[in-house]
Parts: sequence; C-alpha cells; structure tokens
Amino acid sequence: DAGITQSPRHKVTETGTPVTLRCHQTENHRYMYWYRQDPGHGLRLIHYSYGVKDTDKGEVSDGYSVSRSKTEDFLLTLESATSSQTSVYFCAISGSFSSEQYFGPGTRLTVT
Amino acid sequence: KNEVEQSPQNLTAQEGEFITINCSYSVGISALHWLQQHPGGGIVSLFMLSSGKKKHGRLIATINIQEKHSSLHITASHPRDSAVYICAVRSLGRDSGAGSYQLTFGKGTKLSVIP
Repeated sequence: DAGITQSPRHKVTETGTPVTLRCHQTENHRYMYWYRQDPGHGLRLIHYSYGVKDTDKGEVSDGYSVSRSKTEDFLLTLESATSSQTSVYFCAISGSFSSEQYFGPGTRLTVT
Repeated sequence: KNEVEQSPQNLTAQEGEFITINCSYSVGISALHWLQQHPGGGIVSLFMLSSGKKKHGRLIATINIQEKHSSLHITASHPRDSAVYICAVRSLGRDSGAGSYQLTFGKGTKLSVIP
C-alpha cells in the first residue's frame, strides 16, 4: 500500500470555525489531490498540487484553500466551515499526471 | 465536461456468479480507471487502461474507445468482492497543462455478493 495518511480521521466542528486537514505521503510523489465524496455524487476534485508551492483549483474549490510547502504534505483548509462542507475528504497521490492515483484512508468531517 | 455514467447503480449476485459493471463516458479520454471502495471506506485502484483489456486475478477490465464504453468483469464472485466499484476518466485535454490531470468520476456501482 502507498504510504498515505490523513489526519484527523474524524472531526466534528461548528459552523464558522476554521478547519485544516492534513495529507502526508512517504512515496515522494509529485502530484497530490484533495477530493470530497458525498452521497449521490462521484468523487469531486477540490484542489490539486503538481509540485511544492504549485497548486490549482478543481471542480469544487469554493470555500477551500490549500498549501504545499513540502513534497510530503498537502494541507486543505476550510477558512470558515459551513454545513455544506460536511463530507468525507480523500487525499490522493500520483507519480505523474498520467499514472494511477493512490488514495488515503479518508477524513469524515461533520460541520454542525 | 466529461459525463461518466455507470450501470447498474446496485447489483446483488449469488456467490460464484459472473458479474459485469458498465461505464460510459461522453467525450474522448486519455485513460480510464477502475477503483474499488471497501465497505470501510478505503479506495483502491484496480486498473488503469487506455485500450484493449487488462486482467488481474478474477478481475477483467475492457475498454472500447470508439464506443466510449468500458466494462469491469468479476469471475467466480465471492462475498469479499462486495464493495462499490467506481469508474473514472481522464479527458483528452486541449492543452498539456495542469488541467489535464483531473479525473471525472462516476457515482459508483454497489455490488453485494451473497453466499
């Protein structure tokens, strides 16, 4: 299994509070992704990174920001959490843009 | 935007049955992925293909580029195959920029294999 961890694995927070999710990899892969998974939808890309300090928006980026200061870490921040951001968040990594993606275990976030 | 449709949405099979899950997409692609999501939530990549057929154990994935269609077959199904199977495609980008990295995912097919 690819070495990908996500923290925290579960979090309950209140509307309006900031939240940061962390994705950590030990594979030295260049590309990292944040997805959210909601009932009735396929996985949807929030943001991705193609190198240290190189990030771009995905399909559902509103309300989210990301940072990547080191190859191994990709942080997803909800500046002011809303109930619509209640979801399961998955991080993924890949060695190149055209290769398979390996997924982390997911973080279940509940915003009350 | 590429639309990805999977069928069926739900599938119940008896142990030992041959299973087929279908995936159709709307525009040209550079690659198609099949993923498995276990009941506990973990997601595992099964196949990545751009043409023809791939086989791994009891799993077979095929793709027909002209018809914009892929199938995932499971032979001699077993209860441990119970999971959600997800199809995802990478569209042919108009440029080689970072936007071409994005995958579009289907909503998944939930498979239950009964002993």
